[in-house]
Amino acid sequence: RKEVEQDPGPFNVPEGATVAFNCTYSNSASQSFFWYRQDCRKEPKLLMSVYSSGNEDGRFTAQLNRASQYISLLIRDSKLSDSATYLCVVIVGGSARQLTFGSGTQLTVLP
Amino acid sequence: DAMVIQNPRYQVTQFGKPVTLSCSQTLNHNVMYWYQQKSSQAPKLLFHYYDKDFNNEADTPDNFQSRRPNTSFCFLDIRSPGLGDAAMYLCATSRGTGGKETQYFGPGTRLLVL
Repeated sequence: RKEVEQDPGPFNVPEGATVAFNCTYSNSASQSFFWYRQDCRKEPKLLMSVYSSGNEDGRFTAQLNRASQYISLLIRDSKLSDSATYLCVVIVGGSARQLTFGSGTQLTVLP
Repeated sequence: DAMVIQNPRYQVTQFGKPVTLSCSQTLNHNVMYWYQQKSSQAPKLLFHYYDKDFNNEADTPDNFQSRRPNTSFCFLDIRSPGLGDAAMYLCATSRGTGGKETQYFGPGTRLLVL
């Protein structure tokens, strides 16, 4: 079983739609959680950290469920520019070197 | 302003011909990482430096080596590239290795092996 699993998609949604991605992690010792965004042939960029209480940044909401070991990302009012691959990232233990990426969920927002 | 710079952006090499990829940073971060990302896969950590301290991942092939001559620069040397080494190579930096540290990625070098 992979340490971090995501539905690869692709998710094709119309502009303005709400879309949600889930990610599950296998190691209950995981301590830190992030969503990164990666555009085609570009580097990953931090989208947001995920906190236990859940957090929101504009149209993006991230939630963490430690009991079920999953993280979610909700995008409201999708824009064309949201088209990208969204990577779920987990840090096991206290070391950033143990940053483990999921293989990503591809989102395409259609006009 | 570019913070993590990778050169070249695209590199073509021949099977078995050594190649060096370069990364530099203007963030003055202590930690520099090298990742390999193959198509439709997650980035995979090869190794990292904390200052001059080199930390190799257990499953990183011996074919991959790294050098960090100073805080700003880090190099990835592939001694004898094989066809399977064709990938995007991502350099990243972070201030420290604590669990909350954000890693900043460079734009990557796409390596093609002929």
